[in-house]
Amino acid sequence: GAVVSQHPSRVICKSGTSVKIECRSLDFQATTMFWYRQFPKQSLMLMATSNEGSKATYEQGVEKDKFLINHASLTLSTLTVTSAHPEDSSFYICSARESGDQPQHFGDGTRLSIL
Amino acid sequence: LAKTTQPISMDSYEGQEVNITCSHNNIATNDYITWYQQFPSQGPRFIIQGYKTKVTNEVASLFIPADRKSSTLSLPRVSLSDTAVYYCLVGDFDSSASKIIFGSGTRLSIRP
Repeated sequence: GAVVSQHPSRVICKSGTSVKIECRSLDFQATTMFWYRQFPKQSLMLMATSNEGSKATYEQGVEKDKFLINHASLTLSTLTVTSAHPEDSSFYICSARESGDQPQHFGDGTRLSIL
Repeated sequence: LAKTTQPISMDSYEGQEVNITCSHNNIATNDYITWYQQFPSQGPRFIIQGYKTKVTNEVASLFIPADRKSSTLSLPRVSLSDTAVYYCLVGDFDSSASKIIFGSGTRLSIRP
């Protein structure tokens, strides 16, 4: 089946640090990738939609200069949280979708903790 | 965007059949219905997807009535490991412009 790998699974770092999270589709080409954020006991909140070779589309309220998304190839998208602060601590999850009537497949998430 | 409504939580026992219903009154003609399962600290896992009538795979069945304004995920003979949050999503998955919004999900608890 379709596999999406997300790395790292856990990050703990100091306030002011920038953190990069990678999302890879291992056995299919992902035309579209999505980035979500999830707080404890809550549902997933869509942050942005990324299509290969074009700029990401951010949801309302998500700062594009804070959360930099790059989708340089059909198998890799990255999310960089710039100058992270404690309020950015959360569970970040990516998903990837092959073109056509295929469902999204999710990575296992990245737990980001900013001290 | 079609909005979905699910029960916040459900309880059942091992060996029982569990049916979780999702309402999506504003579903569009091109929208598919997809269900995901999520365990704590993991990404959602795809369960099943359908457009109309009935779809069955090795883990679940999905029932969709003719008007497509609701759908029911059926889990046969659940076990303790089926305790998780289940999300119903609708969207035009064939469109690169389509974005997929998660609802609140149903927290399913299975007891021995």
